[in-house]
Amino acid sequence: GEDVEQSLFLSVREGDSSVINCTYTDSSSTYLYWYKQEPGAGLQLLTYIFSNMDMKQDQRLTVLLNKKDKHLSLRIADTQTGDSAIYFCAERRNQGGKLIFGQGTELSVKP
Amino acid sequence: DGGITQSPKYLFRKEGQNVTLSCEQNLNHDAMYWYRQDPGQGLRLIYYSQIVNDFQKGDIAEGYSVSREKKESFPLTVTSAQKNPTAFYLCASNSGFQETQYFGPGTRLLVL
Repeated sequence: GEDVEQSLFLSVREGDSSVINCTYTDSSSTYLYWYKQEPGAGLQLLTYIFSNMDMKQDQRLTVLLNKKDKHLSLRIADTQTGDSAIYFCAERRNQGGKLIFGQGTELSVKP
Repeated sequence: DGGITQSPKYLFRKEGQNVTLSCEQNLNHDAMYWYRQDPGQGLRLIYYSQIVNDFQKGDIAEGYSVSREKKESFPLTVTSAQKNPTAFYLCASNSGFQETQYFGPGTRLLVL
């Protein structure tokens, strides 16, 4: 199909790890991105991974890529209340370089 | 400070009226994009421009128009032909079509 899929909601307790999942559609996509959107704001680039990598770590963020299953995940360690936001995954299609976004996962962090 | 600015933050449109959303960037980026965001949905591409004086339709261009007369500026006009314009509009840019996109703060358009 054409869609990038994400679950719509995730709720965690402060200090726990959060894992946000995404399935994408085009096995030839070159880059996969995670963006964060706080209420009423634009999208902030969090991290990205090139399609020939399996994992990328950046401080509290870990991205895992399973190309066989076209599955991408974002793990946030020691989740804080400031991490509450909507998280979008996006794939860059190889043909034309177009970005395709998922619906976004709303992360709620409870104290 | 380098970045992307969008104005206004909120915009109200009366029925039958055209309104224009501003997007300016001082990042020296060649490519610019307009997206529409509706609640519970991902971003959908309206128009994009890879170079000055050239632009292409995205997935939902009907009822919208753009211009790219300057590298720094990519205004979006929501015409009266767009029957459901209420949404959050996001502008983005990158240094080339294959590069990472960076986003502005967005404009929320509401219909009176």
